Amino acid sequence: RKEVEQDPGPFNVPEGATVAFNCTYSNSASQSFFWYRQDCRKEPKLLMSVYSSGNEDGRFTAQLNRASQYISLLIRDSKLSDSATYLCVVNRGGSYIPTFGRGTSLIVHP
Amino acid sequence: EADIYQTPRYLVIGTGKKITLECSQTMGHDKMYWYQQDPGMELHLIHYSYGVNSTEKGDLSSESTVSRIRTEHFPLTLESARPSHTSQYLCASSLKETQYFGPGTRLLVL
Repeated sequence: RKEVEQDPGPFNVPEGATVAFNCTYSNSASQSFFWYRQDCRKEPKLLMSVYSSGNEDGRFTAQLNRASQYISLLIRDSKLSDSATYLCVVNRGGSYIPTFGRGTSLIVHP
Repeated sequence: EADIYQTPRYLVIGTGKKITLECSQTMGHDKMYWYQQDPGMELHLIHYSYGVNSTEKGDLSSESTVSRIRTEHFPLTLESARPSHTSQYLCASSLKETQYFGPGTRLLVL
């Protein structure tokens, strides 16, 4: 079993739609969780950290469920510019070493 | 924008050649990382460093080596390139947990 698992998609949604991605992780000692965004043929960039209580940044909401060991990302009112691959990242407990998921591809169409 | 640079951006080289991929950051980050990423696949950590004179191997077995003589510089060397080394190599740095990535080097070994 991979340490971080994501549905690769693609998720194909119309503009304005709400879309949610999940990510599961296997190491219960994991302490830090993030969502990164990677555009085609570009480097990953931090989208948002994921906090235990859940957090929101504009149209983006991240949730953490430690009991079930998954994190989620909700995107509301999708824009064409949201088309990208969303990477789930989990830091191993007590270290700065991240494990990246394979990513979920999102395509937003007009 | 992150101040982390990689050169060359693209490299086509013959089998058996020695190559060095350069990575520099001007953010004063103590932690630096090298990842390998094939198209549509997850990032695999191949080397990391927690500071000057500190280097560790990552999860993915790699025939490359790294050095960290200066805080801002983290070069990766392949002593004898092979076609199996064809991939994208991404360098990143961090102060705490958020990673900042360079634009990557796309390597093709013929």
